[in-house]
Parts: sequence; structure tokens; C-alpha cells
Amino acid sequence: SQQGEEDPQALSIQEGENATMNCSYKTSINNLQWYRQNSGRGLVHLILIRSNEREKHSGRLRVTLDTSKKSSSLLITASRAADTASYFCATGRSGGFKTIFGAGTRLFVKA
Amino acid sequence: DTEVTQTPKHLVMGMTNKKSLKCEQHMGHRAMYWYKQKAKKPPELMFVYSYEKLSINESVPSRFSPECPNSSLLNLHLHALQPEDSALYLCASSLLSRPEAPDTQYFGPGTRLTVL
Repeated sequence: SQQGEEDPQALSIQEGENATMNCSYKTSINNLQWYRQNSGRGLVHLILIRSNEREKHSGRLRVTLDTSKKSSSLLITASRAADTASYFCATGRSGGFKTIFGAGTRLFVKA
Repeated sequence: DTEVTQTPKHLVMGMTNKKSLKCEQHMGHRAMYWYKQKAKKPPELMFVYSYEKLSINESVPSRFSPECPNSSLLNLHLHALQPEDSALYLCASSLLSRPEAPDTQYFGPGTRLTVL
């Protein structure tokens, strides 16, 4: 299965701390994306990193990709209570537009 | 307009009912998706339409019937559902700018379906 596995399943931190979530996958990919989902709502795209990129930044987000280890990490710096949500990695293979979502990390940021 | 809209927000139906979910986008996206999401689980892909043609059907039971009347609209027709089909149904769209690579997807807020 191509599905990503995320670690940890749940993470609770204080506001202002950094949060790191990891994603591992099994097959070769074209790109890897991270999405956020607030409780019971639609997903919001955060960042896309291509297989030939190693690191990408967007505001308080930093994503790394290690294709040799088939893993990625999402770092949220200076977290806020509003960052409380579930975070999913999603992988896509070349030759198609099918995206497979990982199990997700539930992040809780305490004010 | 950078929004994907879904109606209704909530739907309760019996096992003998026929209902439809609707999804709409006006971003000029050429791929549209249906996902099913159970509580505390990731979204599971059901169907993908590209250029208004069904491209992917992830072995979804025939009681779910997708339809793409035009490039902006996507429907999911429901008939004879089971209680285990209760879930959040998410629609998404993407530009399909590079056919060889998965795109950023834009999601609607979802329809919360309860089957009694």
C-alpha cells in the first residue's frame, strides 16, 4: 500500500512550542503534500514538496522530504491555539492524480 | 472564486431512500473527487473525474453512483445505503495542470451523512 503512516498519532503541546509530525510511506512518489483538517470540516492544503526537493518553507511551516528513507516531517514553529487540528500527509505517484492520505496526527495546542 | 461548495451540510436518510449530494466549483479545475471519511480516520478516495469522465472508481459499491454533468458540478447519488455508510463525504477539485503528477486539491466542507 502506498498509504503514509504518521507519527505521532496525537500530540499535545503548549502555545509557543514547536510541533513536529512525521510521515512515512512505502512506494516511490512524485510529490508529498500536507493538509490540515479542523474538526469535522474540509481539508485545507498547507504545502506541497516535490520528490526532487529536500526542504520547503511556508510561513511558520517547514517541511522536509527524505526520499531515501521514504519519510517527511512537518514542523510548525511557535504554535498557536488555532493550530489545533488534524494534520495529514498525502502522497501521489507519477502518472496519475490519485492521492493517498496517511492516518493523520491530531495536534492539540493548549493556550 | 476559490471555493468548493457542498450541499447539503447534513443529511439523514433511511436505508430505502434515494438522495443526492452536490458539489460545485468555479475555479476552472478539471479534476473532481469524492472522498469518504469516517471519524478519526483519513479520507478514503471513492471516485475521480477528469475532464468530466470517470477516471478512478475505487471499487465503490453500486449504491453510490457518481455523476459529473459539467466541468463545475459533481453529484453523488445515494440509494439503498447501509448504516455503515454514515460518514463525512468530502468533495475536492484540482487544476490538473500536470497530468503526470498529483495536484493540490481544494476541499469542500463536506456533507455529514447519517443512514438510519
